[in-house]
Amino acid sequence: KNQVEQSPQSLIILEGKNCTLQCNYTVSPFSNLRWYKQDTGRGPVSLTIMTFSENTKSNGRYTATLDADTKQSSLHITASQLSDSASYICVVSAWIYNQGGKLIFGQGTELSVKP
Amino acid sequence: DSGVTQTPKHLITATGQRVTLRCSPRSGDLSVYWYQQSLDQGLQFLIHYYNGEERAKGNILERFSAQQFPDLHSELNLSSLELGDSALYFCASSYRAGGYTFGSGTRLTVV
Repeated sequence: KNQVEQSPQSLIILEGKNCTLQCNYTVSPFSNLRWYKQDTGRGPVSLTIMTFSENTKSNGRYTATLDADTKQSSLHITASQLSDSASYICVVSAWIYNQGGKLIFGQGTELSVKP
Repeated sequence: DSGVTQTPKHLITATGQRVTLRCSPRSGDLSVYWYQQSLDQGLQFLIHYYNGEERAKGNILERFSAQQFPDLHSELNLSSLELGDSALYFCASSYRAGGYTFGSGTRLTVV
């Protein structure tokens, strides 16, 4: 069964600190993995997208890693800011013939950055 | 602005009623996906349309239906609404092998 599991469910950190969010998946056939940031009540916004052959992808203070062998990904946030408070969602895409991309969503990690 | 437009932003309606949510995809995107996000729930896939044709169905109730029109905009119809249908409804669009862009969602409240 295609599944994406994220940990932790929630995280509280102090402003300026770093943190790492985890994503484990069992999705086949794997196409790519994305990290999204979703502010409360808003649509998810893409942070990074990685294909099978990519190990690391950065977007400003966000760095995602992918280990396709162990089917694990992480999102590292450096020098956190109050505006980083949001839900971070790991989404794995499976490319299915005649159906196109099928997205499998993790439940998200709720990050709260405190001053 | 992501380029994906959803209307209305907010909708309050009574149980038993029917509503239509609208999504205009990003220019050039042929695929439209609909998702439901209930309180404290992850995004649940409802249905996918590609260039006017239904491509895949997820956990979509029989009371819900969708279509994609020749101009590629899509509508999600929700009927016989129940309290449990209250949620954020997102659409996302993509081109064939590229990234997904989400709209800002429609918040549906059934009272």
